[in-house]
Amino acid sequence: TQLLEQSPQFLSIQEGENLTVYCNSSSVFSSLQWYRQEPGEGPVLLVTVVTGGEVKKLKRLTFQFGDARKDSSLHITAAQPGDTGLYLCAGVLGNEKLTFGTGTRLTIIP
Amino acid sequence: DTAVSQTPKYLVTQMGNDKSIKCEQNLGHDTMYWYKQDSKKFLKIMFSYNNKELIINETVPNRFSPKSPDKAHLNLHINSLELGDSAVYFCASSQDWDRALNYGYTFGSGTRLTVV
Repeated sequence: TQLLEQSPQFLSIQEGENLTVYCNSSSVFSSLQWYRQEPGEGPVLLVTVVTGGEVKKLKRLTFQFGDARKDSSLHITAAQPGDTGLYLCAGVLGNEKLTFGTGTRLTIIP
Repeated sequence: DTAVSQTPKYLVTQMGNDKSIKCEQNLGHDTMYWYKQDSKKFLKIMFSYNNKELIINETVPNRFSPKSPDKAHLNLHINSLELGDSAVYFCASSQDWDRALNYGYTFGSGTRLTVV
């Protein structure tokens, strides 16, 4: 069992649609980060959320940290082909190392 | 360009060989990491160095040995390569251990290791 489970594992939608991906755990995190990874590249940090209930927006991407700091969601509005990639959440337990989630592979069809 | 750069990008080698992957960051960061990404894209930490000192050493076969000659470099040497070592290896860095928790990591573009 992985510490951070992401769902769905795969998601393929049409350009222009909205989507939400989830990152869930039974543990409480000090902070949670979201990364996007494109083929042949390393993950790139999108956002860090620290406070329970926190919402951050990055253009068409909205990130939310759960009130209990055990889960997070990423919502994309009007998805574009450039949003295609592997989305990874990563959490910090206490002052421990960063632990990555299982990933969501997103494909946006033009 | 400021970045985390790792070489080589691709490495194909036979079982039993010894190989090294090099990593350099010019971001002025204090902490560097090695991660392994398996075929299911799961990223697992292997090692972390802070100012040339080892601070994380996960359950990794001791055929894997990191070396940090200075805080800008963290190399990974692998002895007696096995088929199961085939994966993508990522180097990453962060300002320091504490600030990584809020400001995240900067990753290199990975080294795809294939053992045949």
